[in-house]
Amino acid sequence: DQQVKQNSPSLSVQEGRISILNCDYTNSMFDYFLWYKKYPAEGPTFLISISSIKDKNEDGRFTVFLNKSAKHLSLHIVPSQPGDSAVYFCAANLQGAQKLVFGQGTRLTINP
Amino acid sequence: DGGITQSPKYLFRKEGQNVTLSCEQNLNHDAMYWYRQDPGQGLRLIYYSQIVNDFQKGDIAEGYSVSREKKESFPLTVTSAQKNPTAFYLCASSISSGGQETQYFGPGTRLLVL
Repeated sequence: DQQVKQNSPSLSVQEGRISILNCDYTNSMFDYFLWYKKYPAEGPTFLISISSIKDKNEDGRFTVFLNKSAKHLSLHIVPSQPGDSAVYFCAANLQGAQKLVFGQGTRLTINP
Repeated sequence: DGGITQSPKYLFRKEGQNVTLSCEQNLNHDAMYWYRQDPGQGLRLIYYSQIVNDFQKGDIAEGYSVSREKKESFPLTVTSAQKNPTAFYLCASSISSGGQETQYFGPGTRLLVL
């Protein structure tokens, strides 16, 4: 049972344009969501998070949107840069459990 | 210079052999975690520990064992019972702020079977 799903295995975007990565979840007990960025053969790096009581959080070029009624979150990167090429994982925290559930990841490629 | 270190970067295991992966953190985090990543898949939780001398099984604990004798250290042993150990192993630690948990990851260890 995949509670956190990233349905797009890959995404290709032109440099300077907006990248939109999507994530869906099924468990309404998730109370906190995170996005991580991962380069090959390295550990994931924390990017940005959002509490379930909010619908938007912004940090520089990165904005995360949460639609609780649709159980959907998205990460917007604008403008996209070549260094943004990586695998992006969304993760959800189960209320009271102190552990994260990860999606399968989306490989983002920024083309010059 | 605070962070999470994992060693070795690459590890080779022979058939029937147990191997131990090291994870150390100097962030003063209470909780630590071990994940496994396979190609094209997300991170799957093996074991986690919220406090010294206590740990819980994750989603794929079979064939693995852990210990948490010190706050800074959370070694993972891949036993001979783990039939498909080839993977990228990631250790993480976390801090809770306002009830929101953020995990920070080490650089990973790639385990290969000879």
